[in-house]
Amino acid sequence: AQRVTQPEKLLSVFKGAPVELKCNYSYSGSPELFWYVQYSRQRLQLLLRHISRESIKGFTADLNKGETSFHLKKPFAQEEDSAMYYCALYNTNAGKSTFGDGTTLTVKP
Amino acid sequence: EPEVTQTPSHQVTQMGQEVILRCVPISNHLYFYWYRQILGQKVEFLVSFYNNEISEKSEIFDDQFSVERPDGSNFTLKIRSTKLEDSAMYFCATSLPPRPSLYEQYFGPGTRLTVT
Repeated sequence: AQRVTQPEKLLSVFKGAPVELKCNYSYSGSPELFWYVQYSRQRLQLLLRHISRESIKGFTADLNKGETSFHLKKPFAQEEDSAMYYCALYNTNAGKSTFGDGTTLTVKP
Repeated sequence: EPEVTQTPSHQVTQMGQEVILRCVPISNHLYFYWYRQILGQKVEFLVSFYNNEISEKSEIFDDQFSVERPDGSNFTLKIRSTKLEDSAMYFCATSLPPRPSLYEQYFGPGTRLTVT
């Protein structure tokens, strides 16, 4: 069974501080992992995917297969980063995504 | 930029009634998904759909639920006899044929279903 765990429901940091949103997964195959973001009153949108190793809006995430983690990091948080963040695992064989519970990030001025 | 659209944005229905939620995918997308999010809870996968048939469904997607693409454009989710616990936000998502390096699901804005 595939599972995604985001241990922090709420995370609050000050502007300019580093932020790390944790994500751990459980999956027997080779995982496809993603971070989605949902800003207030907006739709879910893809933030980044582990395959492309990209940095979006200053966020990065590294897949650590040994620790089965895909933590999202940003060195200097901005107020506009305040949103709900979801880690998701995609099973390419089954065409099914499993989302974590989400972490609400608040960046205080 | 093309977007997934969903109608209605909010649907109120009485328990036991049938509802149909509609989604218009991005035009060249071939994979379709429905998710739901009960208030205060996480996004849950319901079903994926490709080539006019269900690819995968979750345990939530029981006989009360059905999906179809009736006219080749709209993608619908039908709940045959709604229950109070069906109250949730329902999201449609679509994607090109999923290849690991390019896979991305585009989400619609959601339909809020309230069952009274």
